Amino acid sequence: GNSVTQMEGPVTLSEEAFLTINCTYTATGYPSLFWYVQYPGEGLQLLLKATKADDKGSNKGFEATYRKETTSFHLEKGSVQVSDSAVYFCALSDKKDYNQGGKLIFGQGTELSVKP
Amino acid sequence: GAGVSQSPSNKVTEKGKDVELRCDPISGHTALYWYRQSLGQGLEFLIYFQGNSAPDKSGLPSDRFSAERTGGSVSTLTIQRTQQEDSAVYLCASSLIGGELFFGEGSRLTVL
Repeated sequence: GNSVTQMEGPVTLSEEAFLTINCTYTATGYPSLFWYVQYPGEGLQLLLKATKADDKGSNKGFEATYRKETTSFHLEKGSVQVSDSAVYFCALSDKKDYNQGGKLIFGQGTELSVKP
Repeated sequence: GAGVSQSPSNKVTEKGKDVELRCDPISGHTALYWYRQSLGQGLEFLIYFQGNSAPDKSGLPSDRFSAERTGGSVSTLTIQRTQQEDSAVYLCASSLIGGELFFGEGSRLTVL
């Protein structure tokens, strides 16, 4: 079945460090891919998405590129801030055409802690 | 409010009791999802409603779990004969078809 695997946390970085959170997936076809973020005390919210191979999603300085050859969607940011401390979830849709509806399958989440 | 609303925010119950968790989605959202978030386990899919289609119940962990969505809006997740392993945060989300999921803040269930 469809699944998502994320690198284990917690990840602790100093402010302005480079961030990579690895995400790989198993799916039939080419699902849409997502990163959601959960800030302390808040609900999950969409960070970025990519709906087809080689697409790059970006938001708030974060980027992720849909790599079908490596079935990956790694999250990167060039210079993290203390305010980026949160739990990050990688997810995929279970339908090839997400516009036709479908549920999201999430990874286990990666906790990021950024120290000043 | 304009967001997804869940109640209760916290529920403590005794093993063997039944519990009901409620979700009010964003008005007009045709899709509604329930997930379970356990410590160190990430988000576990439970059930998905989309319009008038039959719900996708493939994630329900046992027949003690059930959910319904009345009038295409409010949803109730029911857990019968609760067990300690049911303790978790239960998250509801809603979306337009093919759109971003908007999550509620969750209902934290503790089974003693």
